[in-house]
Amino acid sequence: NAGVTQTPKFRVLKTGQSMTLLCAQDMNHEYMYWYRQDPGMGLRLIHYSVGEGTTAKGEVPDGYNVSRLKKQNFLLGLESAAPSQTSVYFCATRELLTYEQYFGPGTRLTVT
Amino acid sequence: AQKITQTQPGMFVQEKEAVTLDCTYDTSDPSYGLFWYKQPSSGEMIFLIYQGSYDQQNATEGRYSLNFQKARKSANLVISASQLGDSAMYFCAMREGAGGGADGLTFGKGTHLIIQP
Repeated sequence: NAGVTQTPKFRVLKTGQSMTLLCAQDMNHEYMYWYRQDPGMGLRLIHYSVGEGTTAKGEVPDGYNVSRLKKQNFLLGLESAAPSQTSVYFCATRELLTYEQYFGPGTRLTVT
Repeated sequence: AQKITQTQPGMFVQEKEAVTLDCTYDTSDPSYGLFWYKQPSSGEMIFLIYQGSYDQQNATEGRYSLNFQKARKSANLVISASQLGDSAMYFCAMREGAGGGADGLTFGKGTHLIIQP
């Protein structure tokens, strides 16, 4: 089992470009999350989903959109990238009955 | 006010000594849980230990234990017999709500632990 995977691992964007980050899980978990981690900071929640077809805003949602068309995939989109979105992005999943979150390896995004 | 406060930005500890990493939290919800995650230099987030607000005993996982003091709103991580491989960033995080925290975790800013030989 791969667990939680993220694509791509690294990306450099120019200001104004768009991109989509893919999170895929093979654990059949209902809940999925997108976080960002900036230098010297803990993780902050961007968006989350409690099931296929549902999404909700987290602490720092501005500038991002998400979709959960299939249970196993959670996509994070940047429509017009800004340097402030330079960060490491983590996806996580959680099954219904336990509280532990399982994290993907992260995507390092640089916006110039 | 910050929901999770980790007051030690960095710590140096001699190998084989015990380590206590501090975490205080702020919530008015009676149902919540505290987590500790380890982030080595390679970047992945590794789950260490979890304590629920209604758990009667302090959580333990191998060399890790959580010193949960509910009245003081603290959830300190204790690592016994530290090893060189324990050098990493450590994050305290909290879930809130009886729904089990469907809306994600709130993280502290972390403590950078360095174990010296």
